[in-house]
Amino acid sequence: QSVLTQPPSVSGAPGQRVTISCTGSSSNIGAGSDVHWYQQLPGTAPKLLIYGNSNRPSGVPDRFSGSKSGTSASLAITGLQAEDEADYYCQSYDSSLSGYWVFGGGTKLTVL
Amino acid sequence: QVQLQESGPGLVKPSETLSLTCTVSGGSISSYYWSWIRQPAGKGLEWIGRIYTSGSTNYNPSLKSRVTMSVDTSKNQFSLKLSSVTAADTAVYYCARGTTLAGSYYHDYWGQGTLVTVSS
Repeated sequence: QSVLTQPPSVSGAPGQRVTISCTGSSSNIGAGSDVHWYQQLPGTAPKLLIYGNSNRPSGVPDRFSGSKSGTSASLAITGLQAEDEADYYCQSYDSSLSGYWVFGGGTKLTVL
Repeated sequence: QVQLQESGPGLVKPSETLSLTCTVSGGSISSYYWSWIRQPAGKGLEWIGRIYTSGSTNYNPSLKSRVTMSVDTSKNQFSLKLSSVTAADTAVYYCARGTTLAGSYYHDYWGQGTLVTVSS
């Protein structure tokens, strides 16, 4: 059970917009820790999608965007495409215990 | 382009020590953090810990008592040892480069992952 909560699954039709939430607490996102997002295509390693809440690495399409507010963060994908079908994970820092980095439980995106 | 490659035994017996090495190519290992992350089949990602090229480490509190990380800058490699393994440690193990930005820490390059099975 991760301290960052993501919905197990979301879905959308091609061309639509979907959002994936990442809900934390006062010991992580709410404490000001940045949120990062990763995309994991089936059978492959995760790939950095968004860093520092809302920044895209070079090569990531601007269809992907991130935001953060309070104790939550969101990943939005517009103009949904079949190749976006993947697992998505958020990551942040949690200051509880001795402090450590933590991933959300992951969200499976299905393109209908 | 930085590339990472995990290596090590794919099968480890219960109660023994899991040992993995990550070799970094296409760039220097110096002045970066390097993480180990694992993923049991069908489940999510778990951060195991990180090491800086100075040898400074941070570990996940839930695994801290069993984890040791080391780095060999001359070989551009870093390593993971996880002791007293059980079936619950069966997972794909990833190595990744960690980048810091204004106090933030994220993983920008990942290895392909290696499956380690704990079984007698």
